[in-house]
Amino acid sequence: DTGVSQNPRHKITKRGQNVTFRCDPISEHNRLYWYRQTLGQGPEFLTYFQNEAQLEKSRLLSDRFSAERPKGSFSTLEIQRTEQGDSAMYLCASSILTGTRSYEQYFGPGTRLTVT
Amino acid sequence: DQQVKQNSPSLSVQEGRISILNCDYTNSMFDYFLWYKKYPAEGPTFLISISSIKDKNEDGRFTVFLNKSAKHLSLHIVPSQPGDSAVYFCAASASTGNQFYFGTGTSLTVIP
Repeated sequence: DTGVSQNPRHKITKRGQNVTFRCDPISEHNRLYWYRQTLGQGPEFLTYFQNEAQLEKSRLLSDRFSAERPKGSFSTLEIQRTEQGDSAMYLCASSILTGTRSYEQYFGPGTRLTVT
Repeated sequence: DQQVKQNSPSLSVQEGRISILNCDYTNSMFDYFLWYKKYPAEGPTFLISISSIKDKNEDGRFTVFLNKSAKHLSLHIVPSQPGDSAVYFCAASASTGNQFYFGTGTSLTVIP
């Protein structure tokens, strides 16, 4: 397994369009997280899945954002009616919910979204 | 509301010397803390962690210290190497591990 992968790596879209990002976690990892990172800031938590169940969602997350993790494997993050303020790096991370290492998250390379 | 703070945006250290990166948190429910390292165009990479039941954790050149009463943790890198030059983020979580809060990062430059 080569780690967490994210596609696409870059996405340029026009304001008002919908975009969807994909994250493929490390295969045995049952926890999956989405984060957003803007310039000069740390990753900001968006949502968390344990297997296929979405257990946490940031209160800051607009209803234009939705995430899924069908069958507890890959996950998608969709942003509807994009706005310029959505321009950011979207990071996915996964971890395994067993043992003492369950908090260690492995991050993907991110998807950079630019809304014009 | 920034629950995890890294007040030094940047730090420069000579190769071979000690690097000390600091992090403060406000939420007393946090009981697990992590440090991540990030190179440009890559996602953060896990470095070292500490549970609130400990006050020190060591892994090779990296040591994390936790002062619960001060709500403060620090990362020590000894000796610092040029390859350590990166942005370092601290992160915190409550025991569920369902949500993590990150600081704004400290950019470390190790000068050869």
